[in-house]
Amino acid sequence: DIQMTQSPASLSASVGDRVTITCRASQDTLNFLNWYQQKPGKAPQLLIYDASKLETGVPSRFSGSGSGTDFTLTISSLQPEDVATYFCQHYHYYPHTVTFGPGTKVDLK
Amino acid sequence: VQLVQSGAEVKKPGESLRISCQASGYDFSKYWLGWVRQMPDTGLEWLMMIYPGDSETRYSPSFQGQVTVSADKSSTTAYLQWGSLKASDTAMYYCVRSRRDSFDIWGQGTMVTVSS
Repeated sequence: DIQMTQSPASLSASVGDRVTITCRASQDTLNFLNWYQQKPGKAPQLLIYDASKLETGVPSRFSGSGSGTDFTLTISSLQPEDVATYFCQHYHYYPHTVTFGPGTKVDLK
Repeated sequence: VQLVQSGAEVKKPGESLRISCQASGYDFSKYWLGWVRQMPDTGLEWLMMIYPGDSETRYSPSFQGQVTVSADKSSTTAYLQWGSLKASDTAMYYCVRSRRDSFDIWGQGTMVTVSS
């Protein structure tokens, strides 16, 4: 089974800081790698799909990069409303399985 | 486009349960619809998905035989069902619309609490 790891597990940053979260897969994801934001008490929301494509309506300060097994989610200028937990997710075809990373909690310093 | 889930449930171990997810604003038959579990203060786990057009299903090996998914095209509603609940089933359950390899629409979640 494919395993997903994320680092760091949590971070504190100031408003305006650049924030980088890393996701690593145990095998090639073929770039079927997505990022979600979950605010406290809310359902997750899709931010980035296929590693680097910004979902409609998501602010442009969010970006995704990477390929194969190593991926990055970047928030170019952290805003108060970005306090949340961020999850990466991979869909593996044949057999069909979905794996989420353990999450990275972002809060304000 | 939205997914609206049924309300919170409190059940005893051994009881059965069915929770629902009603879709609107898109062609229900043409998108896979899945379920994701989030246990208290933990991460996300994918359970399974169903294609309402022909009821084809795909299950996580971890949940095969533990829960059952179904869909009713006439009411554009998907269901997640347990035959005998355990305390370890206590969690928030989200229904999700699958768009290729991502989940682009999420329901608001249904909290299931199993306690004696």
